[in-house]
Amino acid sequence: GDSVTQMEGPVTLSEEAFLTINCTYTATGYPSLFWYVQYPGEGLQLLLKATKADDKGSNKGFEATYRKETTSFHLEKGSVQVSDSAVYFCALSDLGNTPLVFGKGTRLSVIA
Amino acid sequence: DTAVSQTPKYLVTQMGNDKSIKCEQNLGHDTMYWYKQDSKKFLKIMFSYNNKELIINETVPNRFSPKSPDKAHLNLHINSLELGDSAVYFCASSYWTSADNEQFFGPGTRLTVL
Repeated sequence: GDSVTQMEGPVTLSEEAFLTINCTYTATGYPSLFWYVQYPGEGLQLLLKATKADDKGSNKGFEATYRKETTSFHLEKGSVQVSDSAVYFCALSDLGNTPLVFGKGTRLSVIA
Repeated sequence: DTAVSQTPKYLVTQMGNDKSIKCEQNLGHDTMYWYKQDSKKFLKIMFSYNNKELIINETVPNRFSPKSPDKAHLNLHINSLELGDSAVYFCASSYWTSADNEQFFGPGTRLTVL
């Protein structure tokens, strides 16, 4: 079945450091890929998405590029802030209306 | 203005009780989902409904009974609660014909079974 693997956390960075959270996937079809973010005590918010190969999703300084050849969708940000501290989930949806398959989440803590 | 809302936000109850969680969306979506997030933050689909019809039931114990009275509402009733049911339950919605299946999530209901 479909699956998503993302790097284990927690990840602790100093403010203004560069962030990469790795995400790879396996899917039978041609999935849409997502990054969701969960701030402490809150629900899930869509951070960015990509629907086809080489698409780059971006939002709030975060970026991820859909790499079909490496089945990856790594999340990056050039300069993290304390307010970016949250749990980040990589997810896919294979076929138009199937439930999301999530990775296990990566907790990011940014310290001043 | 809330797109996907859930009630209650917190639920603390004793083992063996029966409880319900409600979800409503005002986005005009026709597909709704229940996900369970365990203590390690892992998210897994439980059920999905399209136009009030059950589409997916992911080997969830039959103590869990979802109900969708209309496209905008999806409720979850849990009988005979067990300690292992403690989790955060998220409702989500989307369009069935969406090209990318972007889903919108509610704020979650944190269920604690004592």
